[in-house]
Amino acid sequence: GAVVSQHPSWVICKSGTSVKIECRSLDFQATTMFWYRQFPKQSLMLMATSNEGSKATYEQGVEKDKFLINHASLTLSTLTVTSAHPEDSSFYICSVDGTNSLEQYFGPGTRLTVT
Amino acid sequence: AQSVTQLGSHVSVSEGALVLLRCNYSSSVPPYLFWYVQYPNQGLQLLLKYTTGATLVKGINGFEAEFKKSETSFHLTKPSAHMSDAAEYFCAVRPNTGTASKLTFGTGTRLQVTL
Repeated sequence: GAVVSQHPSWVICKSGTSVKIECRSLDFQATTMFWYRQFPKQSLMLMATSNEGSKATYEQGVEKDKFLINHASLTLSTLTVTSAHPEDSSFYICSVDGTNSLEQYFGPGTRLTVT
Repeated sequence: AQSVTQLGSHVSVSEGALVLLRCNYSSSVPPYLFWYVQYPNQGLQLLLKYTTGATLVKGINGFEAEFKKSETSFHLTKPSAHMSDAAEYFCAVRPNTGTASKLTFGTGTRLQVTL
């Protein structure tokens, strides 16, 4: 399967600032990537589907102007949390759609803490 | 619309005992089915998946699951639990349309293994 990395693995930022999270597919050309957020002891909630070279598709209730997604190449998608607030503190996980394998390959996640 | 129900948010077994984690799905057409495991502060790792063919699927770490269409179930089992199996387990489904598609996750089951 695909190897997926995320950077940073954890980040602390101050309220009102922006933070960018990178998701890289190291050995697989990722036409489609997904971004999830996970609150403590809860399941994964899909935020958006990221398609290479086009605009991301956001799930209902997810603010696209707050969570900016860019998928400019087949190996990199970025999620920028703009004007972060404490309620944005969460575990953010990306995944790569394996297409033919019908499965998704997940990154290790990024822990965001907004103070 | 698809949905996934995992009965039991927390399951505790003794080391060496049978592990049974329940998953039921709701879908107009049998979907593709997955079990993922998540260790603390990590991403998700695929245990096994059912797409077509044999309904009893064997995965990694001694886990297996059986797709039962009549019961709309995909329960995860392991004959003998090991301490290292303690983790969060997620059942997930996706439509069997054959195109890139979103996963719908269950709420997760935390497996505790005791001595």
